[in-house]
Amino acid sequence: AQSVTQLGSHVSVSEGALVLLRCNYSSSVPPYLFWYVQYPNQGLQLLLKYTTGATLVKGINGFEAEFKKSETSFHLTKPSAHMSDAAEYFCAVSDEGESNFGNEKLTFGTGTRLTIIP
Amino acid sequence: DTAVSQTPKYLVTQMGNDKSIKCEQNLGHDTMYWYKQDSKKFLKIMFSYNNKELIINETVPNRFSPKSPDKAHLNLHINSLELGDSAVYFCASSQYLGGSYGYTFGSGTRLTVV
Repeated sequence: AQSVTQLGSHVSVSEGALVLLRCNYSSSVPPYLFWYVQYPNQGLQLLLKYTTGATLVKGINGFEAEFKKSETSFHLTKPSAHMSDAAEYFCAVSDEGESNFGNEKLTFGTGTRLTIIP
Repeated sequence: DTAVSQTPKYLVTQMGNDKSIKCEQNLGHDTMYWYKQDSKKFLKIMFSYNNKELIINETVPNRFSPKSPDKAHLNLHINSLELGDSAVYFCASSQYLGGSYGYTFGSGTRLTVV
């Protein structure tokens, strides 16, 4: 079974500063990894995903994440924070790689609330 | 057009009542899901359906019964509501079984049991 750990339930950064949200995963097989964003009172929106290929993945709104197998990490970054980035961010892992056809699902981390300081 | 739509958006009801939440997707996806988000924002899968067939049924009380009349709809019926059922319930869909294509989420239904 897979699991996701997000370090830091709350992260605050100044506007224009680097955003770094940490995610570590546990999986017995090559994982599929995702970052989702949730704005207040809204559903989750896919930011980016890693399945295979290039380990540096670019997503929407200037975010990117790097899959590091040796560190079992998939940290989310953005060079310069905007006020509009304030939201809850969820890292997730899919067990599709286990080829248990019919039982795949996304397992989410507990989320990181990003606050942007003006 | 909303890709995954849930109704109602808010639901306040008394303990012991029976209620339903409806979900529809117009993306042509084969798979639909119900997730529960608790007060600490933790998201946990409840059910998944693929082409109207139940695939995943996590450890959820029998009071929760999903129904999929066709692959574009997945409804959630809850009997004998309890205080602990208060949460935000999200419907989601994906193109194929499995998560590699990512999920599209609805905007959620905030259920409050009083």
